[in-house]
Amino acid sequence: AQSVTQLGSHVSVSEGALVLLRCNYSSSVPPYLFWYVQYPNQGLQLLLKYTTGATLVKGINGFEAEFKKSETSFHLTKPSAHMSDAAEYFCAVRRGDDYKLSFGAGTTVTVRA
Amino acid sequence: NAGVTQTPKFRILKIGQSMTLQCTQDMNHNYMYWYRQDPGMGLKLIYYSVGAGITDKGEVPNGYNVSRSTTEDFPLRLELAAPSQTSVYFCASQYGQGEGGARYEQFFGPGTRLTVL
Repeated sequence: AQSVTQLGSHVSVSEGALVLLRCNYSSSVPPYLFWYVQYPNQGLQLLLKYTTGATLVKGINGFEAEFKKSETSFHLTKPSAHMSDAAEYFCAVRRGDDYKLSFGAGTTVTVRA
Repeated sequence: NAGVTQTPKFRILKIGQSMTLQCTQDMNHNYMYWYRQDPGMGLKLIYYSVGAGITDKGEVPNGYNVSRSTTEDFPLRLELAAPSQTSVYFCASQYGQGEGGARYEQFFGPGTRLTVL
């Protein structure tokens, strides 16, 4: 079974500052990794995903994440926060042979003007 | 494409009542899922389906039932509602066909906010 740990349930950043959201996973087989964003009162929307190939993946809205197998991590970053980035972010993991996703508990991002 | 649609958006139930949450997708996806979201807990899988006529339990299936008679529809049934079922429910779908299908992302509906009093 796999599990997902998101460090920090709340992150507050200033507009224009770096956004860093941490995600660590445990998986017995090479995983597929996803980051989703949830805006208030909406469903989840895919930001980016890692399946195979390049370990640095770029997503929508200027976000990117790097898969580090040795650290079992998939941290999400954005160089410069915008007010519209205020949302909840979920890291999710899937084993390569499984169609079920395991989600982290989520990190709520607040952006200060 | 409308994607994944869910009805109703909001519902208040009394303890012991029953209801069905509707979910429909128009992307011809084989795989469909039901999750519940509780504050600080992420999303927990209730049931999932790999195709019409095939369903299986997820992490938290107690108190729920599902059916999948068509590719498009995947309703979730709550029998004898309890306060512990107060939550936001999300339906999702995914393309999946054979080996390698797990690399595809899930598409989520807008959710149903359910309160049981």
